[in-house]
Amino acid sequence: GNSVTQMEGPVTLSEEAFLTINCTYTATGYPSLFWYVQYPGEGLQLLLKATKADDKGSNKGFEATYRKETTSFHLEKGSVQVSDSAVYFCALRDNQGGKLIFGQGTELSVKP
Amino acid sequence: EAGVTQFPSHSVIEKGQTVTLRCDPISGHDNLYWYRRVMGKEIKFLLHFVKESKQDESGMPNNRFLAERTGGTYSTLKVQPAELEDSGVYFCASSQVSHNTEAFFGQGTRLTVV
Repeated sequence: GNSVTQMEGPVTLSEEAFLTINCTYTATGYPSLFWYVQYPGEGLQLLLKATKADDKGSNKGFEATYRKETTSFHLEKGSVQVSDSAVYFCALRDNQGGKLIFGQGTELSVKP
Repeated sequence: EAGVTQFPSHSVIEKGQTVTLRCDPISGHDNLYWYRRVMGKEIKFLLHFVKESKQDESGMPNNRFLAERTGGTYSTLKVQPAELEDSGVYFCASSQVSHNTEAFFGQGTRLTVV
């Protein structure tokens, strides 16, 4: 069945460091891919998405490219800020019914 | 416009008791999903409503869980009787069209069974 695997956390970085959170998936067909973020005390928010191979999703300085050949959707940001501290979830959308399949989440802590 | 709202935000109950979680989706959203995250693991799908009908309940863990969406508006998720392993954060999400539109999530209900 469909599944998502993302790097385990927690990840601790200094402000302005480069961030990569790896995400790989297993799926039949060509699902849409997402990154969701949960800031402390808040609900899940969509950070970015990509709906087909080679698409690049971007938002708030974060980017991820849909790589069909490596079945990956790694999240990157060139310079993280303290306000980026949150839990990040990679997900794919099932082509039937639209349910989301999530990875286990990666907690990011950015220190000043 | 109001977002997805979940009640309560936190609940602590004893093993064997009953708890009912509520989700109010965004007005006009026919699709409503329940998910659960247990102890830092992945967020897992529980079930999907289209209006008042259960479209997919393949993720419901067992018959102690009962979800309803009478009238196709708000939804409730009842756990009876609760067990320790039911502890976690329960998320609700809604969307207009299941395949092609963004799903909006509520803040979640943190359930602790002691």
